[in-house]
Amino acid sequence: DVKVTQSSRYLVKRTGEKVFLECVQDMDHENMFWYRQDPGLGLRLIYFSYDVKMKEKGDIPEGYSVSREKKERFSLILESASTNQTSMYLCASSPSGGTGMRGSPLHFGNGTRLTVT
Amino acid sequence: LAKTTQPISMDSYEGQEVNITCSHNNIATNDYITWYQQFPSQGPRFIIQGYKTKVTNEVASLFIPADRKSSTLSLPRVSLSDTAVYYCLVAGYGGSQGNLIFGKGTKLSVKP
Repeated sequence: DVKVTQSSRYLVKRTGEKVFLECVQDMDHENMFWYRQDPGLGLRLIYFSYDVKMKEKGDIPEGYSVSREKKERFSLILESASTNQTSMYLCASSPSGGTGMRGSPLHFGNGTRLTVT
Repeated sequence: LAKTTQPISMDSYEGQEVNITCSHNNIATNDYITWYQQFPSQGPRFIIQGYKTKVTNEVASLFIPADRKSSTLSLPRVSLSDTAVYYCLVAGYGGSQGNLIFGKGTKLSVKP
């Protein structure tokens, strides 16, 4: 079974801090994603990556950056955390293979609930 | 990108069949339809995927009409443990890289 592991389940940070959210997948997937989930808004895509050192903006990239130095690891960075970034953050991965990226089912981690005070 | 529309919530009772419909009027030729289930404090998990007609697995069935502008997830004989949020996602195989954007999901509540 694919395992997507997010380093923290719960995180509390102060406004202005630099925050790192880490995600590791163990199935050699090419594609990795970061979403945030808020009540009433569903899942919103922040950034995704389809290869090492490659990244693409999603729907709401403002205030975030990402890093993918190794295939199995995708980090989400909040350069200067703000209270409106309090949310559940979900990482996901998927294979490319012969079917391409966009149709392959996503495998999600269990999320990091970040509170910025 | 095909935008999806689902009901915000649905209620059901144990043992009933539940059908959740997702509208995706501008689905593209190479788009597949994928459904996910999410329990509280967990990430979404894949349930079923299809392109056209009907797909069935051990968990659910997926019905897709000929025009593919909608799809219906069917859960047979639901139990309390099926209470969750269900998301439909429309995205294509191959082609250029692109966003995978979810809709707001349908919150299913199963009552005893």
